[in-house]
Amino acid sequence: DIQMTQSPSTLSASVGDRVSITCRASQSINSWLAWYQQKPGKVPKLLIYKASKLESGVPSRFSGSGSGTEFTLTISSLQPDDFATYYCQQYNSYSYTFGQGTRLEIK
Amino acid sequence: EVQLWQSGGGLVQPGGSLRLSCTASGFTFSDYAMTWVRQAPGKGLEWVSCISGSSISTYFADSVKGRFTISRDNSKNTVYLQMSSLRVEDTAVYYCAKGSENDYWGQGTLVTVSS
Repeated sequence: DIQMTQSPSTLSASVGDRVSITCRASQSINSWLAWYQQKPGKVPKLLIYKASKLESGVPSRFSGSGSGTEFTLTISSLQPDDFATYYCQQYNSYSYTFGQGTRLEIK
Repeated sequence: EVQLWQSGGGLVQPGGSLRLSCTASGFTFSDYAMTWVRQAPGKGLEWVSCISGSSISTYFADSVKGRFTISRDNSKNTVYLQMSSLRVEDTAVYYCAKGSENDYWGQGTLVTVSS
């Protein structure tokens, strides 16, 4: 199975900051990568698919980049609603796998 | 509007069985694969299983292979996850999701495996 490793595991930042989360795959997944946001007790929400495509309705401050084995989720200017846990997931080959998550907390 | 409504779940003893259902609306159900994802208490997301739109192909995580089966009834717009030989470590909130990219999710249902 393809292993997905996110870094950092926890990120402390302030409103207005630009932040990035990295996701590395153990082998190439081309651009078959999605990013999700999850808040406590809530259902995960798709933010980015195919590594860089913004899901409809998601604010443009979210962006994704990368291909192959290294990917990045960037939030250009943090808003209070963005403090949550973020997951990457590869869907290049089964079993589809998630990263372990990155908790974005208020500094 | 796309909606996924889950049912099933609950408390079951180790070694027991349970079936989860997920009924969809708002899209052409048979055109999409359907996925199950779970989340153990306080843990991250774990992909569990996926079934193609035609039911020809099914896939499972190693952790559930041989114990869980996935099926769908396109006439009822419903996907099922049949869970057998349940273990304590299967305790989690189970979500169904649409497609490979999981652009829509069900509300989640808690499965607790405990004696």
